[in-house]
Amino acid sequence: DAGITQSPRHKVTETGTPVTLRCHQTENHRYMYWYRQDPGHGLRLIHYSYGVKDTDKGEVSDGYSVSRSKTEDFLLTLESATSSQTSVYFCAISGHREDGYTFGSGTRLTVV
Amino acid sequence: AQSVTQLDSQVPVFEEAPVELRCNYSSSVSVYLFWYVQYPNQGLQLLLKYLSGSTLVKGINGFEAEFNKSQTSFHLRKPSVHISDTAEYFCAVNNQAGTALIFGKGTTLSVSS
Repeated sequence: DAGITQSPRHKVTETGTPVTLRCHQTENHRYMYWYRQDPGHGLRLIHYSYGVKDTDKGEVSDGYSVSRSKTEDFLLTLESATSSQTSVYFCAISGHREDGYTFGSGTRLTVV
Repeated sequence: AQSVTQLDSQVPVFEEAPVELRCNYSSSVSVYLFWYVQYPNQGLQLLLKYLSGSTLVKGINGFEAEFNKSQTSFHLRKPSVHISDTAEYFCAVNNQAGTALIFGKGTTLSVSS
């Protein structure tokens, strides 16, 4: 999607290893979000950020941490990957909550 | 707490037929409501949104939705669907703090000829 990129697009990792997913935006938007998408669950919020160094937890934050040291980058880290974290991860950005979100293309993560 | 219920997990329809995808929400605060579409192997795209004012909102690709406060619903409609409308559709509402969106579990719309 224009203005937001996620990397990597696909990743396979082993149980117990740390993994970092990156979300990069060029829109200078204040808000950034990490969701995971799983069949039958829709999208569930992991963490979000409302500014540099300002982050908060979502409904499924256990086992995940985030960092935002620059406006344009929002990193999601799985501290010790587990098979239950196999999922598709989406980053989203928003300038104002009335605008809704712009989503990235997603990262498909498989933990084996 | 806010929540969103999409009443149908799958909706099969024939091409050129009308369709309605149902969404109910619960909220104790003023709501912003959204519908997103996700085509296979892609991210989500905004279809339309309700913030305030007119309860009938029009979006892209011929979709529209009606906000009904008394029934706490925000159903998505299209009078005549195309094969290309085959996708997953998500309804979303802002959380109580207004800091993030809560999504429903999605409705898969399958359009066949």
